[in-house]
Order: sequence, then structure tokens, then C-alpha cells
Amino acid sequence: GQSLEQPSEVTAVEGAIVQINCTYQTSGFYGLSWYQQHDGGAPTFLSYNALDGLEETGRFSSFLSRSDSYGYLLLQELQMKDSASYFCAVNTNAGKSTFGDGTTLTVKP
Amino acid sequence: DTGVSQNPRHKITKRGQNVTFRCDPISEHNRLYWYRQTLGQGPEFLTYFQNEAQLEKSRLLSDRFSAERPKGSFSTLEIQRTEQGDSAMYLCASRPNHGGEEAFFGQGTRLTVV
Repeated sequence: GQSLEQPSEVTAVEGAIVQINCTYQTSGFYGLSWYQQHDGGAPTFLSYNALDGLEETGRFSSFLSRSDSYGYLLLQELQMKDSASYFCAVNTNAGKSTFGDGTTLTVKP
Repeated sequence: DTGVSQNPRHKITKRGQNVTFRCDPISEHNRLYWYRQTLGQGPEFLTYFQNEAQLEKSRLLSDRFSAERPKGSFSTLEIQRTEQGDSAMYLCASRPNHGGEEAFFGQGTRLTVV
């Protein structure tokens, strides 16, 4: 089966940088995805890593180390609207995606 | 195309009743997923279709839960003999078959079993 661990809550101030870590255990690992979900909304895709290294998309970056079964999401220049839940998800070579329980990010003024 | 569409958005049912939800994925997306999400948790995988073939399902679907995708387009998720523990948000997502790791989620169907 698959299992993922990420911190349950993170708090930061506007303009700061925050890193959300994710460790995983899975068979047939294909890649690691990150999703954002605001209260009452649907998860929306942020980033994906299949290979080791850093992927940058605007203020958001995501990192993967396959040998360590570890990844992180880096959010820069935090804004109030970034307050949301962030999920890592492992994609397997069978096409399935399994999500972590999410990290609630609170951005304070 | 307006994205993944789910109906109904909300459903209140009495314990013991059957309910059916519908998901219309993005056109030409071969892969379709059903998830269940409760407060404070991540989406929990229920089942996965590639075209009309159901490729994998969790143990939750072995009894009262069943899903179909008869023509490889829309999908339905049925819960028989609902229980209060079935109360949750049921999310559908679709993904293209090639080159797309991004899953596009619908707004979900919120089920309340009373």
C-alpha cells in the first residue's frame, strides 16, 4: 500500500517563505504531486515531480528526492490567499494517486 | 469544456436508502477517479477507471459501494444501504491518458446521511 506523512499545520506571516515536507512509502512510485484546497473548494493542482530536483512555478516550487522518499513544497512571498490546505500525493505506475492528510497553512498579517 | 462536473452537489438521505452520484469528466480524459473526503482528511481513493475498465478499487467498494463507467465517458457511484459513516464529500477527478499528471477535480457531492 501507500502511506504519506506531512505536518498537520503550519503558520507563517505574509511575505515569508514556508516549506511543507512530505515523506512517503509506496510501491510502483511514479511521481509526487501537490494540490491546494481552500475551504469548501475542490483540490487544485500545483506541481509535479517525477525526477529528483526542484520544479519552479511562480511563487511555488516543489522538490523531490526519490532515494529519500521525500519531497517538499516551497511557498515564497506568502499572501493571505495562500491560507489553505496543501496535499502531497503519490502517483503510481498503475495510474493511481494516493493523497496525504494535508497540511493546513495559516498566513497571518 | 467547463471542467469536471458532479451531480448533485448536495444530497441528504435517510439511513438505509440508496444514493447514486454522477460525474462527467473533461472530454477525452481517459482516466477517472472517485475519492471520498471527510473533514480534516485528504481525499481517500475509492476507485479508478481507464476508459470503461475499472482498474482498481479500494476495499470500501467491495460491498455497499459500486461504480460504473459504461461508455467510458460519465461515471456513477452508488452507495447502497447508506450508513451515517458514509457522510462525506465524494470527489471525482479526471486525467488525460498521456502526458498529464494533473488531476482535475470536480466540486464534489456532499452526502449527509441522517
